[in-house]
Amino acid sequence: GIQVEQSPPDLILQEGANSTLRCNFSDSVNNLQWFHQNPWGQLINLFYIPSGTKQNGRLSATTVATERYSLLYISSSQTTDSGVYFCAVEGFNYGQNFVFGPGTRLSVLP
Amino acid sequence: KAGVTQTPRYLIKTRGQQVTLSCSPISGHRSVSWYQQTPGQGLQFLFEYFSETQRNKGNFPGRFSGRQFSNSRSEMNVSTLELGDSALYLCASSLDRFEAFFGQGTRLTVV
Repeated sequence: GIQVEQSPPDLILQEGANSTLRCNFSDSVNNLQWFHQNPWGQLINLFYIPSGTKQNGRLSATTVATERYSLLYISSSQTTDSGVYFCAVEGFNYGQNFVFGPGTRLSVLP
Repeated sequence: KAGVTQTPRYLIKTRGQQVTLSCSPISGHRSVSWYQQTPGQGLQFLFEYFSETQRNKGNFPGRFSGRQFSNSRSEMNVSTLELGDSALYLCASSLDRFEAFFGQGTRLTVV
């Protein structure tokens, strides 16, 4: 099936710093989403971005489908940004389900 | 509009018992998927239902089953619980191959 990698696995930042999280996938996708998992376990939607670029406040994301990667940018990070960020993809040829990456654990220090 | 609702939020069961988890999708969404999250395996797909039919199934034993009702609400059942079934179970709803939205999850502990 489709493989999803995320880097880095862990990231520690000082409040106010910027960061870039990367997601690589092994095949064509018809859906790609970025999620932030809150401390209670819920996956919070950040972006639905199978291709192109989107921005939402301090966060933005870019997916280059032809090169099979997506980037999540966090600017001016805040302590509330801490948590695990997941990239999830649905492949065209792999049925109707997400394959999740292993996640990037972000810690923002005050 | 209301989000995806999962019940119960927390559950403690004994090995050998069975458990049923419920998921109410966003109004109008006909696709409901279930995922298991464990520290060792990460987030793994269990199954997906669309219009009361199982459309896709992950690589889990037959002890894991599910169904979807005519109002799109879905249940998943795990029979003969094992310690390794302790996990966070997440449900997602979508219109069908569009953006998916997740519920808060059910945290199952098997003792």
